[in-house]
Amino acid sequence: GENVEQHPSTLSVQEGDSAVIKCTYSDSASNYFPWYKQELGKRPQLIIDIRSNVGEKKDQRIAVTLNKTAKHFSLHITETQPEDSAVYFCAASPTSGTYKYIFGTGTRLKVLA
Amino acid sequence: NAGVTQTPKFRILKIGQSMTLQCAQDMNHNYMYWYRQDPGMGLKLIYYSVGAGITDKGEVPNGYNVSRSTTEDFPLRLELAAPSQTSVYFCASSYPTGEVGSPLHFGNGTRLTVT
Repeated sequence: GENVEQHPSTLSVQEGDSAVIKCTYSDSASNYFPWYKQELGKRPQLIIDIRSNVGEKKDQRIAVTLNKTAKHFSLHITETQPEDSAVYFCAASPTSGTYKYIFGTGTRLKVLA
Repeated sequence: NAGVTQTPKFRILKIGQSMTLQCAQDMNHNYMYWYRQDPGMGLKLIYYSVGAGITDKGEVPNGYNVSRSTTEDFPLRLELAAPSQTSVYFCASSYPTGEVGSPLHFGNGTRLTVT
């Protein structure tokens, strides 16, 4: 079945630096790739998503890139701030129409002031 | 809208007990899901439903059952609780927009401990 690998598992950056988290998926039929942010003790919340007909998407300090040939996608956070500290999950939808998402194992991002 | 509401927030079960985790959404979403999140891990799909009367297994369905009698409610039943079911359970919903993919809206979770 579909598998999503996420790296790194932990990431520490200085405030103001950039952070990059990478995910690789196995099912070439996957066509929707959301990213969720989960603060400690809270529920996951969508921060950005990308569909397979687009190579890059930006929303202020956050961007996501997709390489369908290599089957990987990445989250880029620029000018990091302490409030960006959280666990970030990537996900892939393996079969069109079912929205049966498979999640990566998460990246704990620490932004050091 | 309240969004996705889960009850209870916390529960401690003894081995072998049963319970139902409740999930309700008021957004008229067709699709609903149950995920479990073990400490320091990602989200594993237990069951999902694409509409009332339709349910299907996810990655880790063993030890659980679901039903979907209405669009709004999607309860998760644990029979004969085991320590391996200690986890945080998240219910989620989504609405097919006609585009490829639709974001999940999560509830606040139920923290379950089986001892």
